[in-house]
Amino acid sequence: ETGVTQSPTHLIKTRGQQVTLRCSSQSGHNTVSWYQQALGQGPQFIFQYYREEENGRGNFPPRFSGLQFPNYSSELNVNALELDDSALYLCASSPRPGLAGVTDTQYFGPGTRLTVL
Amino acid sequence: DQQVKQNSPSLSVQEGRISILNCDYTNSMFDYFLWYKKYPAEGPTFLISISSIKDKNEDGRFTVFLNKSAKHLSLHIVPSQPGDSAVYFCAASAANYGQNFVFGPGTRLSVLP
Repeated sequence: ETGVTQSPTHLIKTRGQQVTLRCSSQSGHNTVSWYQQALGQGPQFIFQYYREEENGRGNFPPRFSGLQFPNYSSELNVNALELDDSALYLCASSPRPGLAGVTDTQYFGPGTRLTVL
Repeated sequence: DQQVKQNSPSLSVQEGRISILNCDYTNSMFDYFLWYKKYPAEGPTFLISISSIKDKNEDGRFTVFLNKSAKHLSLHIVPSQPGDSAVYFCAASAANYGQNFVFGPGTRLSVLP
């Protein structure tokens, strides 16, 4: 069974640029969530994708966008990068999205460390 | 406004003793809680979870206690081992929130040999 993988491992960008981060979900998982973890803080929920549709979003501006593909892999795109976007970006997969009364454990990838200069 | 708090940034415990990590939450809608462990350069790894219909869940050396009236949960590790040294995150979710987990800031546990 293949776990969650993310690419690239590290990335350096300058302010105003755009970035795309990639995630392959764990085998058998159709739901992908993205988190931002700033230094010294816990992960913060950005959004979730289920069956190629956005299925919930945290408190992040529209310049954070995503995609999910038919094979359940996912991309996180960030436009007009700001210095505060520097963080570890984590992708997590789960077997299914949250349903009423049901919550599934999420399995995380190792993350992509983004530095914005 | 932090909905999930872990007020101890760090904790040091002697090998073989008990480690107790604490977590407080403010949102009474939360009904599912998880603990994750994170080593450097790795993503968080699921450790143990508890639903709000229970007050205790045990898995080997790890036990999570939930006190709903106090909006408090704790993770007990007995006995602590050097390999347990990591950052521990408490996370909470509500059924109506789907998979939107809210994480605390983490507690760094150091188990000394």
